[in-house]
Amino acid sequence: LAKTTQPISMDSYEGQEVNITCSHNNIATNDYITWYQQFPSQGPRFIIQGYKTKVTNEVASLFIPADRKSSTLSLPRVSLSDTAVYYCLVGDIYTGFQKLVFGTGTRLLVSP
Amino acid sequence: GAVVSQHPSRVICKSGTSVKIECRSLDFQATTMFWYRQFPKQSLMLMATSNEGSKATYEQGVEKDKFLINHASLTLSTLTVTSAHPEDSSFYICSASQTGLVVPDTQYFGPGTRLTVL
Repeated sequence: LAKTTQPISMDSYEGQEVNITCSHNNIATNDYITWYQQFPSQGPRFIIQGYKTKVTNEVASLFIPADRKSSTLSLPRVSLSDTAVYYCLVGDIYTGFQKLVFGTGTRLLVSP
Repeated sequence: GAVVSQHPSRVICKSGTSVKIECRSLDFQATTMFWYRQFPKQSLMLMATSNEGSKATYEQGVEKDKFLINHASLTLSTLTVTSAHPEDSSFYICSASQTGLVVPDTQYFGPGTRLTVL
């Protein structure tokens, strides 16, 4: 299982762009990268998923370099409601990310 | 799409009683369901993996006789905490995936159940 490493915490202000980078040096060929957001006392919420290059949806962008050993979640113009813990996970695309191993995640604090 | 529900959202029980938590995939068939536990300020820890119609696979250190898991259909899995004790108090979260049906597969999580054992 590819292990991931993220900063433990980040601080930002409303309206700024936030980039959270995740390191996954042992990523395998069949592995996809998925990011989740978790608020206190709630289950993780799927944000975005990708394999390579850039993926964008209505809430975030995911940048993955050619070697795929890292990925960056980009949140444009954050608001106070984006304060949460963000988890980066890597898993096999065919087996449902079996046995997801959650790391510490990145605790993002957005201030006024 | 990809909505997973849990019931109840919160439960308080006396020590020694059993508690059942339901996890449902509302708009997709979940061939695999997972149960996690999360203590305050900590990350999620996988407890067990269950595939529809077969026995659950428990992670090391998780007592299968204490945490009974039933995945009776493609949309429902239940976790029963038997003879609950205060140390079982935690936030229990389920997730569901469509393993074998879609690629890439993804786990979708329920909202969680807060268990407090008095």
